[in-house]
Amino acid sequence: GDSVTQMEGPVTLSEEAFLTINCTYTATGYLSLFWYVQYPGEGLQLLLKATKADDKGSNKGFEATYRKETTSFHLEKGSVQVSDSAVYFCALSDPTSGSRLTFGEGTQLTVNP
Amino acid sequence: GAVVSQHPSWVICKSGTSVKIECRSLDFQATTMFWYRQFPKQSLMLMATSNEGSKATYEQGVEKDKFLINHASLTLSTLTVTSAHPEDSSFYICSARRTGFEQYFGPGTRLTVT
Repeated sequence: GDSVTQMEGPVTLSEEAFLTINCTYTATGYLSLFWYVQYPGEGLQLLLKATKADDKGSNKGFEATYRKETTSFHLEKGSVQVSDSAVYFCALSDPTSGSRLTFGEGTQLTVNP
Repeated sequence: GAVVSQHPSWVICKSGTSVKIECRSLDFQATTMFWYRQFPKQSLMLMATSNEGSKATYEQGVEKDKFLINHASLTLSTLTVTSAHPEDSSFYICSARRTGFEQYFGPGTRLTVT
């Protein structure tokens, strides 16, 4: 079945540092890939998405490119802020399994001032 | 647009009682709603998928008689935890989707069973 693997956390960075959270997946077909962010005590918010190979999703300074050749969708941000501290989830949607989302394990990010 | 609400945001109940959690799509009609469970510091576990007017489809290992899901309208789904026990304490998150669009998530409900 489909699976998503994220880099293990927690990740701790200083403000203005560069962020990369790795995400790889196992699935085939016409996938959609997503990054969600979860702040403490809250539900998930869609951060960005890509719906076809080589698409780049971007939002709030975060970027991720759907790389079919490496089955990856790594999340990057050039300069993190304290307010970016949250848990980040990579997910995929496979049309053959309906509209279900398959989530990665989540990566806790803490940004210190 | 695409706002999903949950009520209550947190609830404490006694062991053996039942509790109902509501999930509403506020500004769109949701053809499909999903219920997830999340344990501390873990990912989301899909419990069930429900389509308006039909029975929910439960994931393997989820007790359908314990977690009753009703998707009575295109804007409302409810999850009832029956005869709750402390091991049912968790963070429950719903999401809603309309055809052709991605899932939008609610803010979650923290259930504590004492």
